[in-house]
Amino acid sequence: DTEVTQTPKHLVMGMTNKKSLKCEQHMGHRAMYWYKQKAKKPPELMFVYSYEKLSINESVPSRFSPECPNSSLLNLHLHALQPEDSALYLCASSQEPYQETQYFGPGTRLLVL
Amino acid sequence: ELKVEQNPLFLSMQEGKNYTIYCNYSTTSDRLYWYRQDPGKSLESLFVLLSNGAVKQEGRLMASLDTKARLSTLHITAAVHDLSATYFCAVDNYGQNFVFGPGTRLSVLP
Repeated sequence: DTEVTQTPKHLVMGMTNKKSLKCEQHMGHRAMYWYKQKAKKPPELMFVYSYEKLSINESVPSRFSPECPNSSLLNLHLHALQPEDSALYLCASSQEPYQETQYFGPGTRLLVL
Repeated sequence: ELKVEQNPLFLSMQEGKNYTIYCNYSTTSDRLYWYRQDPGKSLESLFVLLSNGAVKQEGRLMASLDTKARLSTLHITAAVHDLSATYFCAVDNYGQNFVFGPGTRLSVLP
């Protein structure tokens, strides 16, 4: 099973809302990633969890808060987002950080009104 | 600051032709990745190149890495329509950061 799942597929939220994105993998991978992708742009790495510890935070605003409850799950908590945060949010996992193929989930398309 | 460039940004080619996409990066790294993205879809990992001189092939695609020149190539052989997609390279700066190139939008015409 080489599947990474993400929920929800689509999300519309207001600037005062709190919501969470969820990512799950059951491949035994020890690295998980959050990316943000705006339309017609390359993905930007937001967070990397390696062995359930945050190893890179690419200077992402604090309104994005990652959480890794266990080795299979990755959450991204959203609070007080801005319209410019509207994007496709992609989760990925790999066996080891960076050294291996990354498997991507289908993404959550987020619209902030 | 790590910068990654791709050339060309747009590529329209006929089926059956060969072509090469280039990926240049600005700092020392020996880890480079190629991805494919179809419109409205997620990313698919194509190749992971982890050392100087690494060459990997899958079907009509072949990727290589020259760390001294800070250059990777993605060669397409006898293109088919199914290869139409956006291709990204990405470079890992030893875990310090991870940067994607701007992408090459490939269109293969019959």
